[in-house]
Amino acid sequence: GAGVSQSPSNKVTEKGKDVELRCDPISGHTALYWYRQSLGQGLEFLIYFQGNSAPDKSGLPSDRFSAERTGGSVSTLTIQRTQQEDSAVYLCASSALAGAPTDTQYFGPGTRLTVL
Amino acid sequence: AQSVAQPEDQVNVAEGNPLTVKCTYSVSGNPYLFWYVQYPNRGLQFLLKYITGDNLVKGSYGFEAEFNKSQTSFHLKKPSALVSDSALYFCAVTYGQNFVFGPGTRLSVLP
Repeated sequence: GAGVSQSPSNKVTEKGKDVELRCDPISGHTALYWYRQSLGQGLEFLIYFQGNSAPDKSGLPSDRFSAERTGGSVSTLTIQRTQQEDSAVYLCASSALAGAPTDTQYFGPGTRLTVL
Repeated sequence: AQSVAQPEDQVNVAEGNPLTVKCTYSVSGNPYLFWYVQYPNRGLQFLLKYITGDNLVKGSYGFEAEFNKSQTSFHLKKPSALVSDSALYFCAVTYGQNFVFGPGTRLSVLP
């Protein structure tokens, strides 16, 4: 596809379960970002991948959150032992250049996570 | 640390009237500024960005923004609002490897 895709679009889980969210960036984009958007809130940066470099994990809210990017393309965000406060829309974005601050990020449609 | 403020949670404007969505920033050095729009149940869409050069930047859907260094502002404008412009608008600034979004402003264009 031409844009960033994310799956699933919606995920409902029970408190304490683990979830995996997937992001397929635009082909050829070297940088990939994960954000969290809580209801009525702005975007909260979670993690950033740039090429083959070690990811910037400075935004991850706790050690229950982790992410990986295999082969420099697809990324998976994993939340272990989910809590109700994890309920949010998780957005993925990619950009073409190697994380240049002038580069435009292109966003996927998001995954809406609901923790019961 | 860099930050972005959008002082208005909500902006209401009548269709056909000009609209302004405000953004101010705080960053050391030269900022790179962006506007994104989010329609209901959709991801963010890029509207425009300021990197350098002309302070007036033109973007998608007839939007433009003016970079004002002395006032540290980057307000989004459109001469004539459409009902379809109703959405959530985010201002963002990058500095180094960091990308910081404002809290968002909800624009409602009334017919």
